[in-house]
Amino acid sequence: ETGVTQSPTHLIKTRGQQVTLRCSSQSGHNTVSWYQQALGQGPQFIFQYYREEENGRGNFPPRFSGLQFPNYSSELNVNALELDDSALYLCASSSRDGIGEQYFGPGTRLTVT
Amino acid sequence: KQEVTQIPAALSVPEGENLVLNCSFTDSAIYNLQWFRQDPGKGLTSLLLIQSSQREQTSGRLNASLDKSSGRSTLYIAASQPGDSATYLCAVPNYGQNFVFGPGTRLSVLP
Repeated sequence: ETGVTQSPTHLIKTRGQQVTLRCSSQSGHNTVSWYQQALGQGPQFIFQYYREEENGRGNFPPRFSGLQFPNYSSELNVNALELDDSALYLCASSSRDGIGEQYFGPGTRLTVT
Repeated sequence: KQEVTQIPAALSVPEGENLVLNCSFTDSAIYNLQWFRQDPGKGLTSLLLIQSSQREQTSGRLNASLDKSSGRSTLYIAASQPGDSATYLCAVPNYGQNFVFGPGTRLSVLP
């Protein structure tokens, strides 16, 4: 059974650019959630995808968007990057509409300069 | 809106001590509660998941309890070791869509 993987590990972007982060869910899981974790804080919910449809969204602007593919892998896209977008982005997969046990990937560290 | 708090924010103990980390949540209508460990700059590792029908779960030196009526959970770590040094986070579901996390307790176990 493969765990949750994320790519890339680290990324440095310039303000105003666009970025795409990727996540492969754990085998058998149909739900993927994305979280943003600023330094010293707990993760904040961005959005969740269940069977390729967005299934809930946190308090993030529309420039944060996502996709889920038929194999349940997912992408997080962020447009018009701002300095405050610098954070660790975490992907979690689960098997029951996001309320079952969640398994997290190693995260992508995004730095916006 | 579900809110989660954790105390203490940071804890430093000598090796071998037993310790308790606390988690409080505002909405007691939860399906479950999950405790995680996070090493610096890394992802989250699931430690224990307690279902709403359970009162506690144990894994090795870790024991987590859940009191839904009072909106509290505790994580008990027995015989702490330097390798236990990390940030510990608790999380509860937010109306079935996602998890709400506490800010974490940063634990340092000194050799």
